[in-house]
Amino acid sequence: DGGITQSPKYLFRKEGQNVTLSCEQNLNHDAMYWYRQDPGQGLRLIYYSQIVNDFQKGDIAEGYSVSREKKESFPLTVTSAQKNPTAFYLCASSTQTGAGQPQHFGDGTRLSIL
Amino acid sequence: GDSVTQMEGPVTLSEEAFLTINCTYTATGYPSLFWYVQYPGEGLQLLLKATKADDKGSNKGFEATYRKETTSFHLEKGSVQVSDSAVYFCALSGTSGSRLTFGEGTQLTVNP
Repeated sequence: DGGITQSPKYLFRKEGQNVTLSCEQNLNHDAMYWYRQDPGQGLRLIYYSQIVNDFQKGDIAEGYSVSREKKESFPLTVTSAQKNPTAFYLCASSTQTGAGQPQHFGDGTRLSIL
Repeated sequence: GDSVTQMEGPVTLSEEAFLTINCTYTATGYPSLFWYVQYPGEGLQLLLKATKADDKGSNKGFEATYRKETTSFHLEKGSVQVSDSAVYFCALSGTSGSRLTFGEGTQLTVNP
């Protein structure tokens, strides 16, 4: 079955440490997205990529970095510069045939501080 | 810029009650509108969508109609079940592409 796989499901970060969240999709989608979700709040866009080797900052990119070397993969690195990283992180993908295309989501990674 | 406003939660209903979750939006042009559902500990699943004015999206007994004149996309279900307990998100994508703008979500709890 096609879908989006995020790993790990739970992740713990120590002070001063960078951690990388994995996102892989086999839907042949061009566009991929990273969102942050805090308790009781909506989703905020961190970064998105519409094509391989290209990505754009979303609304809350500070303290995060991404790469898009392959169509199937869009890893997110939470750097030590992100002072409040505890949140639920969601990866999504969509086709690039214009507006109206829904995004498909993974099951998320929950990041906590040790 | 684009924005989505949802009714504040949480919403608590008894099984078989009627559900309405209000959603209004601000956007230029003719956005596409979506409802997503999130069950505990999971990602979001697309529930329904509408891409032009007066379209009605429907799925699993849920419905929402794209009302351009009132810039609304309210979610309704005639008879909720305990299994409908989840967080519901209204979202839009503008005319320039597939980037989504989400509302803050509405927590629904259905009691037996």
